[in-house]
Amino acid sequence: DAGVTQSPTHLIKTRGQQVTLRCSPKSGHDTVSWYQQALGQGPQFIFQYYEEEERQRGNFPDRFSGHQFPNYSSELNVNALLLGDSALYLCASSLVVQGASGANVLTFGAGSRLTVL
Amino acid sequence: AQTVTQSQPEMSVQEAETVTLSCTYDTSENNYYLFWYKQPPSRQMILVIRQEAYKQQNATENRFSVNFQKAAKSFSLKISDSQLGDTAMYFCAFMKPRLYSGGGADGLTFGKGTHLIIQP
Repeated sequence: DAGVTQSPTHLIKTRGQQVTLRCSPKSGHDTVSWYQQALGQGPQFIFQYYEEEERQRGNFPDRFSGHQFPNYSSELNVNALLLGDSALYLCASSLVVQGASGANVLTFGAGSRLTVL
Repeated sequence: AQTVTQSQPEMSVQEAETVTLSCTYDTSENNYYLFWYKQPPSRQMILVIRQEAYKQQNATENRFSVNFQKAAKSFSLKISDSQLGDTAMYFCAFMKPRLYSGGGADGLTFGKGTHLIIQP
């Protein structure tokens, strides 16, 4: 059973460029969340996608945008890259239980390491 | 907004010893979930254990157990009979549950992590 897969694993960009990161959720999962983990820090929540819509968003500027496709895979786009965007970007997937409250257990991918020069 | 604090940047113990990692959090919510995640050098976050705030009983998963003190807003992780493979970053995390027609829940709020080193 494939877990969460992310691509690329590593990439280097320069300031001002744009980047797209990709995530395929675990089989059977329908929700994708993205996190940014700076070096030596805990991950920070960027946003969550469900039914192809952004459902929740953390404290990140509009330069960070995303998309979810009908097959539940997702992309994270970052425009006008800054040096401070250098980080590990983690994707996590989960399954929504309609009408149920509670915490969905997240399955994380191994991340995409972005370096901005 | 919620905050999660891990006051131990690094800990080192001998193999087979017991170690306790500390975590405190701040929230005005009454119902929430707490997690401990492990991040080995492979970078993939692995769920170690989770606790539901409305449950009085502390969660246990094999060698891993928690001491959940809701009034004190404390959530420590105890690892018994530590093994070399336990060496990793450990993150405490908070999640506020959410019920809405679209399902899902708020994102996780993580602490800064504790680097646990198990010495042979």
